[in-house]
Amino acid sequence: DAGVIQSPRHEVTEMGQEVTLRCKPISGHDYLFWYRQTMMRGLELLIYFNNNVPIDDSGMPEDRFSAKMPNASFSTLKIQPSEPRDSAVYFCASSFSGDQPQHFGDGTRLSIL
Amino acid sequence: KNEVEQSPQNLTAQEGEFITINCSYSVGISALHWLQQHPGGGIVSLFMLSSGKKKHGRLIATINIQEKHSSLHITASHPRDSAVYICAVQKGGSNYKLTFGKGTLLTVNP
Repeated sequence: DAGVIQSPRHEVTEMGQEVTLRCKPISGHDYLFWYRQTMMRGLELLIYFNNNVPIDDSGMPEDRFSAKMPNASFSTLKIQPSEPRDSAVYFCASSFSGDQPQHFGDGTRLSIL
Repeated sequence: KNEVEQSPQNLTAQEGEFITINCSYSVGISALHWLQQHPGGGIVSLFMLSSGKKKHGRLIATINIQEKHSSLHITASHPRDSAVYICAVQKGGSNYKLTFGKGTLLTVNP
């Protein structure tokens, strides 16, 4: 079975541009999580979905960030406009249920110049 | 003070040594996770536990709910165990948000 698939693996763009990160969870998993990892702050939850519905978005930094899950097999995280401080590795994870281990994608390494 | 504290931050061992990484937390939890991240790599879930002890190969995780403490042990360590080990807690109820420790960087020398 394929794991969690994220794209792109790397993204380099200029400040002010829109960035879209994509995630395909494992089939049958009802929960999807977006995380950000930086050297300074470590891993942080941004938002998570249950059955495509956002449940907790308290970690989303500000209005420049938005996340959607239009169907059970696809989610996006958008940053508009992007800023250098958004540079980080963004991970997507999914789980069968909320109280089951999470399976992580390989991450998207984002650099905003 | 962080809700999840790990110690040590860095750990260097010789191949074959027994390794212990500690995690303390200050909130009520429903579950605790141990994750592994190799340098430049993805994140793998090692254990999820809410009580007692779990074992997988050379890895053992224990948790003491009363003392709000968990340990990850590696027996007969190997250079391929070199990675960052991250503790995370799930606070419970119906919210499955994870709160993470800063991680422990383990280096096992041959």
